[in-house]
Amino acid sequence: NAGVTQTPKFQVLKTGQSMTLQCAQDMNHEYMSWYRQDPGMGLRLIHYSVGAGITDQGEVPNGYNVSRSTTEDFPLRLLSAAPSQTSVYFCASSSAGGEETQYFGPGTRLLVL
Amino acid sequence: SQKIEQNSEALNIQEGKTATLTCNYTNYSPAYLQWYRQDPGRGPVFLLLIRENEKEKRKERLKVTFDTTLKQSLFHITASQPADSATYLCALDLTGNTGKLIFGQGTTLQVKP
Repeated sequence: NAGVTQTPKFQVLKTGQSMTLQCAQDMNHEYMSWYRQDPGMGLRLIHYSVGAGITDQGEVPNGYNVSRSTTEDFPLRLLSAAPSQTSVYFCASSSAGGEETQYFGPGTRLLVL
Repeated sequence: SQKIEQNSEALNIQEGKTATLTCNYTNYSPAYLQWYRQDPGRGPVFLLLIRENEKEKRKERLKVTFDTTLKQSLFHITASQPADSATYLCALDLTGNTGKLIFGQGTTLQVKP
């Protein structure tokens, strides 16, 4: 199993550009989440999904969109990038009904100029 | 207001000693509390989960305690090794049913040989 994979590993954007951060998991997990990690602030939840077709907002959803058309994939879209979105983004997945431990991807480092 | 706090200062200890990390929270009633390890440039890796009705949990050299009255969890690493050097994150799971976690900012542990 590859676990949770994220692409790209690193991206530089200009203010106002849009992009999609990809996340995929091959563990057949129901739950998937996106977090951002900023220095000194820990991980903050952006959006999450409890299954295909179901998404909801987390703590810091503004400026981001998500969709979940399949169990495996959970892309995060930045509609119009802003310097405040410079961060490291982590995708995570977990299984419903189990210990609910989360498996994290390796992260995408995003720099918005 | 709701807060989850970990020691922001790095913890430096000598190899072989027990490391104790603290996680305090206010105005939350978590169903579970989880501890993760994060190495530089990597995603968090799950270590231990403890439920609200459990006082203590152990796994090899790791021990977690959970006091819902004090709203505190302690994370212990016994016989610490330089390889234990990393940032340790605590996370609250409020519902135990959606894969949403609220993270502390993490404590960096440095174990010196």
